Amino acid sequence: EADIYQTPRYLVIGTGKKITLECSQTMGHDKMYWYQQDPGMELHLIHYSYGVNSTEKGDLSSESTVSRIRTEHFPLTLESARPSHTSQYLCASSETGQPNTGELFFGEGSRLTVL
Amino acid sequence: GEDVEQSLFLSVREGDSSVINCTYTDSSSTYLYWYKQEPGAGLQLLTYIFSNMDMKQDQRLTVLLNKKDKHLSLRIADTQTGDSAIYFCAERASGSARQLTFGSGTQLTVLP
Repeated sequence: EADIYQTPRYLVIGTGKKITLECSQTMGHDKMYWYQQDPGMELHLIHYSYGVNSTEKGDLSSESTVSRIRTEHFPLTLESARPSHTSQYLCASSETGQPNTGELFFGEGSRLTVL
Repeated sequence: GEDVEQSLFLSVREGDSSVINCTYTDSSSTYLYWYKQEPGAGLQLLTYIFSNMDMKQDQRLTVLLNKKDKHLSLRIADTQTGDSAIYFCAERASGSARQLTFGSGTQLTVLP
């Protein structure tokens, strides 16, 4: 069972608010990821990190930002939320060492609704 | 670039077999995965297959890989209502910096 946690699970906020989605893992994984999932299902990588102080943007452009100050923690922040940010946000992590299967371990997701 | 495609919907009767198909474009794929997502939850790894294998069986699940056609399938035997979920195919390309590329997901509905 994966030990990766996301909070909050559900969030409804008004336009213009600043929000932070939290993601923590206790597996000691160096690699962490944020995916945005459309209402229709498709997953889009928006941020990833290969370790502390390492962050990169993913395939889908996002107005969100991330930080990686500690190995276990990878929060995502939206400075000014808009209705277009309404989505499900999934955090994941994976091992670095060899051998490994490259499996991603996912959190339960944070469903954000911006009114 | 990497691209993974799946059909969006599949409906089967309880007790029948389900076959979910996936095609990918990157011939350097090393591992291919099937993930399951239940409503309101994250993705959970169901099974994976290494690219030098043709088939992998794990209880009710059978994965078939055709490297020549870049085609991956997941067969679920004796499908149950609890199998209703979204199933994602994903690939890991050799040397990929982004780790995994996911398909769009197939919504499996199991009818009683």
